[in-house]
Amino acid sequence: GEDVEQSLFLSVREGDSSVINCTYTDSSSTYLYWYKQEPGAGLQLLTYIFSNMDMKQDQRLTVLLNKKDKHLSLRIADTQTGDSAIYFCAESITGYALNFGKGTSLLVTP
Amino acid sequence: DTGVSQDPRHKITKRGQNVTFRCDPISEHNRLYWYRQTLGQGPEFLTYFQNEAQLEKSRLLSDRFSAERPKGSFSTLEIQRTEQGDSAMYLCASSSLGGPGQPQHFGDGTRLSIL
Repeated sequence: GEDVEQSLFLSVREGDSSVINCTYTDSSSTYLYWYKQEPGAGLQLLTYIFSNMDMKQDQRLTVLLNKKDKHLSLRIADTQTGDSAIYFCAESITGYALNFGKGTSLLVTP
Repeated sequence: DTGVSQDPRHKITKRGQNVTFRCDPISEHNRLYWYRQTLGQGPEFLTYFQNEAQLEKSRLLSDRFSAERPKGSFSTLEIQRTEQGDSAMYLCASSSLGGPGQPQHFGDGTRLSIL
């Protein structure tokens, strides 16, 4: 499938905001998702956005979509130690098969 | 617990053996997906069902792999003549029927280790 790129690591201090970035190559990507994975566990859906939107906010999470640059970001406000995990960006053209990035490992330090 | 359930959680087997995994989706979900995740990578799509119909298969799903969902509820994924490269986490997800883009909810996966 087409590429989904994410930076591999991000370290932030507790209480700061975290911003995790994702770029995708296929301009036909219509459905975009953020998932969280903790060690030994499956993926937890955090939020999603469709290409007819630019922004979506859900409590501490804000998703921004820049369709022109094919760039997606996830902002976590007031980051807590429990937010330490791997975050995956995923895109889909059809709305069915998801194409994932390699994940960004977020470390939150006290 | 009404989430996606996968069984077993772990499977260790010798190369050349056959293995079968089971996935029970969220009860009202009509679509069911299988993904494979290797260490340090994101999940890779294998196949998906809408009710009992298998609608899409990835080229990753070689002839040794077969997935079924005979009654449109639980699904099984079988790997025949396992190889070292089959070692991975096998993830199942489900979504509700509706337009495309319905968010997928994942189970905790089955970790397969080939000796």
